[in-house]
Amino acid sequence: DVKVTQSSRYLVKRTGEKVFLECVQDMDHENMFWYRQDPGLGLRLIYFSYDVKMKEKGDIPEGYSVSREKKERFSLILESASTNQTSMYLCASSGRGRSYTFGSGTRLTVV
Amino acid sequence: AQSVTQLGSHVSVSEGALVLLRCNYSSSVPPYLFWYVQYPNQGLQLLLKYTTGATLVKGINGFEAEFKKSETSFHLTKPSAHMSDAAEYFCAVSEDSGYSTLTFGKGTMLLVSP
Repeated sequence: DVKVTQSSRYLVKRTGEKVFLECVQDMDHENMFWYRQDPGLGLRLIYFSYDVKMKEKGDIPEGYSVSREKKERFSLILESASTNQTSMYLCASSGRGRSYTFGSGTRLTVV
Repeated sequence: AQSVTQLGSHVSVSEGALVLLRCNYSSSVPPYLFWYVQYPNQGLQLLLKYTTGATLVKGINGFEAEFKKSETSFHLTKPSAHMSDAAEYFCAVSEDSGYSTLTFGKGTMLLVSP
């Protein structure tokens, strides 16, 4: 069964910490995405990547960075975590046809 | 720029009743349209999608949606609701051009009562 795997379901971090959220897909998809989901706001795109070592800013990139050193792995980095980054983070990948496959999400709490 | 509007943050139906979740989109080029479902504490699962061709699209779990270009709509329906349909539903749009990404609506929570 094809899948997108996010390394943690729940994370609690302290303000100012550097946080890494990892995402791995096994579908050989070119495209990978990071969204955050907040009640009443839906999903908002943070960053995406169309190829290894390539990245593009989404709608809300401030306070985040990404890394894609291998095709199957796309990491989201919070350089200095803040309480307003408490959220559900969803990783997705897609090939041709534009259908996204999502991971189960990481619920991050910054205290 | 593309955008999606979902009418109603919450929709309540009785088991066995018709489900209708509304979605309107804005796109400057031919759109690709999607409906996703999210069950509690899970990621999003694709219900159905429209790319080209037949405007009535059938998806999983008995859901279907109709693309109406003149109304810029892509409403999701199911003839008879089941308790297991209770979840949050997201409409999304992507443009048929280059590196277009998916833009999501804010979601509609479907509540099903016995």
